[in-house]
Amino acid sequence: GAGVSQSPRYKVTKRGQDVALRCDPISGHVSLYWYRQALGQGPEFLTYFNYEAQQDKSGLPNDRFSAERPEGSISTLTIQRTEQRDSAMYRCASSLGYNRVMETQYFGPGTRLLVL
Amino acid sequence: AQSVTQLDSHVSVSEGTPVLLRCNYSSSYSPSLFWYVQHPNKGLQLLLKYTSAATLVKGINGFEAEFKKSETSFHLTKPSAHMSDAAEYFCVVSDQASSGTYKYIFGTGTRLKVLA
Repeated sequence: GAGVSQSPRYKVTKRGQDVALRCDPISGHVSLYWYRQALGQGPEFLTYFNYEAQQDKSGLPNDRFSAERPEGSISTLTIQRTEQRDSAMYRCASSLGYNRVMETQYFGPGTRLLVL
Repeated sequence: AQSVTQLDSHVSVSEGTPVLLRCNYSSSYSPSLFWYVQHPNKGLQLLLKYTSAATLVKGINGFEAEFKKSETSFHLTKPSAHMSDAAEYFCVVSDQASSGTYKYIFGTGTRLKVLA
């Protein structure tokens, strides 16, 4: 079946512009996660949703970052007034059940963002 | 705080020889541990996971890992490397943060190179 998809795969933008990154999880998955991965590092947690409810946004670096999942399926991560330090790979993952210690997360291919 | 240490950023092996990718973790109690693999331009794929059942865990593509609580280790092994194993490997611990969320904490990754 279809896995997690993300779009765009690559995004180049100028400093100060807003960007919206989209994630389409596996159908029926309850939980959706966003991560950011800097070059040479592992992914770092940003935020997660159960259905449409944002349960934890403690990983969002500042108030320029926001995320939504209005109908409990597709999610959008928005970065306002982008800065060069926002350049990274942004990964989305989904899991079948609610957030639990042993839950397997399924990852999309990521969106590579470059801010000039 | 929970953390994961992947001791080697790069590992090179010859095709047909054993693979050992090392991972040590710190956690407040019994965590769930995962190994993911990332091939170029693809999403992170789950290789195997430990969830407090058998300490020796078998995964896909001939990989296995052993949970050793006394050593706080979860090293990934394969008896015989194949060219297709060349990729980046991430060790992950899932543990409960102070927010109550179970978060994936990623290591920095080990890039495996397989020589013909």
